[in-house]
Amino acid sequence: KAGVTQTPRYLIKTRGQQVTLSCSPISGHRSVSWYQQTPGQGLQFLFEYFSETQRNKGNFPGRFSGRQFSNSRSEMNVSTLELGDSALYLCASSRGQGVHEQYFGPGTRLTVT
Amino acid sequence: AQSVAQPEDQVNVAEGNPLTVKCTYSVSGNPYLFWYVQYPNRGLQFLLKYITGDNLVKGSYGFEAEFNKSQTSFHLKKPSALVSDSALYFCAVRDIGSSNTGKLIFGQGTTLQVKP
Repeated sequence: KAGVTQTPRYLIKTRGQQVTLSCSPISGHRSVSWYQQTPGQGLQFLFEYFSETQRNKGNFPGRFSGRQFSNSRSEMNVSTLELGDSALYLCASSRGQGVHEQYFGPGTRLTVT
Repeated sequence: AQSVAQPEDQVNVAEGNPLTVKCTYSVSGNPYLFWYVQYPNRGLQFLLKYITGDNLVKGSYGFEAEFNKSQTSFHLKKPSALVSDSALYFCAVRDIGSSNTGKLIFGQGTTLQVKP
């Protein structure tokens, strides 16, 4: 089975722009979660989607949004980029919610200049 | 609120020696615990999880973890370390505050350095 794929792998944007990141989960997985990883804050939960519905949201400003499509693929969007948004954005998929382990993609490295 | 602590930023061990990476947790209710490993410029790889049952959990690549409820710990262990085990290790707990959520709360990570 193919793993979780994320596109693009690297992205450079300037402050004030917006960006959309894409995630394709493992085939058959219906739950997708997003995390932000930075050296200072570590791994922080952004949101979780299951069956096209956002089930949980982390403590991030409204500039961060996401969605899930009927094929379970997910996108996250960050508007009005700030320097502090520079991070590795990781997507994870699992068969379902709850105790199922999450499988992570390689991440998208976003640099905001 | 649920939390996870990894008290060591870095663990150094010689190849062939046993290794332990420490993790303690704080949850209200039954904990669901996970270990992940991250290699440079890669995403996280699932190693093992504890949901219920036997306190000794076996996972991928020869790793195991011991769940200790009285000490609220979930230490990662391996009997004989390999240089290729050198990586960043994360302990995580599932947030049970929201019903059936998959949200993971991660520790700050421990860098494991295995020297030949």
